Amino acid sequence: RKEVEQDPGPFNVPEGATVAFNCTYSNSASQSFFWYRQDCRKEPKLLMSVYSSGNEDGRFTAQLNRASQYISLLIRDSKLSDSATYLCVVNMDTGGFKTIFGAGTRLFVKA
Amino acid sequence: DAGVTQSPTHLIKTRGQQVTLRCSPKSGHDTVSWYQQALGQGPQFIFQYYEEEERQRGNFPDRFSGHQFPNYSSELNVNALLLGDSALYLCASSSGGGFYEQYFGPGTRLTVT
Repeated sequence: RKEVEQDPGPFNVPEGATVAFNCTYSNSASQSFFWYRQDCRKEPKLLMSVYSSGNEDGRFTAQLNRASQYISLLIRDSKLSDSATYLCVVNMDTGGFKTIFGAGTRLFVKA
Repeated sequence: DAGVTQSPTHLIKTRGQQVTLRCSPKSGHDTVSWYQQALGQGPQFIFQYYEEEERQRGNFPDRFSGHQFPNYSSELNVNALLLGDSALYLCASSSGGGFYEQYFGPGTRLTVT
């Protein structure tokens, strides 16, 4: 079983749609959590950190459920510019931090 | 404020050769992590350097080694290159040993022929 698993993609949605991405992690030593977006042939860029209390940044909402070992990202009112790959990221403390990326979920937003 | 920088941008090497990739972290960051990203996959953690020591390592063979300098910059060395080492190599920096968010450089695209 992979340490971090994401919804397989791609997701194809119309502009204005709401889309949700899910991610599960298996290691209880996981300490910090993030969502990144990656455009084709570019480096990953931090989208947001994820906290147990949930956090929101404009159209984006991230949530963490430690009991279920589950992370989510909700995008409301999708824009064409949201088309990218979304990566779930977990930092695990195993005597030093190891960072594990999910395989990513590709999002296509269409006009 | 300069972000994370990496050099070179692109590199072509032959099987069996050795390569060194370089990374300068974002100002104020003391932790550097290296990743390998193959096409269509998420980045795979190679190792992390903090206080000039390798603190954590992913599932990569000893052919992959690194170093962190007193100014926090870092190098990734790969010996005895294989065709399968062709990938985008990403460097990311953060502060405090790796708990916090990481910021990525543009990557070095390595092609092994």
